[in-house]
Amino acid sequence: ILNVEQSPQSLHVQEGDSTNFTCSFPSSNFYALHWYRWETAKSPEALFVMTLNGDEKKKGRISATLNTKEGYSYLYIKGSQPEDSATYLCAFKVDSNYQLIWGAGTKLIIKP
Amino acid sequence: GAVVSQHPSRVICKSGTSVKIECRSLDFQATTMFWYRQFPKQSLMLMATSNEGSKATYEQGVEKDKFLINHASLTLSTLTVTSAHPEDSSFYICSARAVSNQPQHFGDGTRLSIL
Repeated sequence: ILNVEQSPQSLHVQEGDSTNFTCSFPSSNFYALHWYRWETAKSPEALFVMTLNGDEKKKGRISATLNTKEGYSYLYIKGSQPEDSATYLCAFKVDSNYQLIWGAGTKLIIKP
Repeated sequence: GAVVSQHPSRVICKSGTSVKIECRSLDFQATTMFWYRQFPKQSLMLMATSNEGSKATYEQGVEKDKFLINHASLTLSTLTVTSAHPEDSSFYICSARAVSNQPQHFGDGTRLSIL
């Protein structure tokens, strides 16, 4: 059974601090790893699609790294702002024809 | 960016009613659409994958006669919950994708409550 784990389940961070959280996935048969941000009352928004081991992607203050050999990806947020408050979901894919396997998300709350 | 519209956003109805949820890609052609269900504090659970013009592929444990999916055009997929019962109450969300190596674009979801 393929399983994606995200930790921590929730996280409170002071505004201005930097933070990171983890997505763990099976290290065999890797095709792609997706990160999404899901703000309350909005639809999930794609952040990154990562495919290569060692890949690092950046979008503003948010960046992500990927280690396919050990089966994890980190999402980093630098200088957290209140608008970063959301649930961050990762999803893993074993091949192009297979479905995305979703983690349960990390709920990030930024305290002003 | 790519926009997906899903409606209705909220449905409250009596047991035995059939409910139709629409998912539209507004500015791109969605060759594949996905229907998910989410239980409280759990991850998104894929119910079915539909490709335009063909029958949907249902995940194990999802009743295809209960959850009817139609993907008749490149911009519209519908999910009909037939003869809904209280246990069908949940949050349903669709997503659409143009090509397989691209991210999915989500609708806002539908909160279904069956009394």
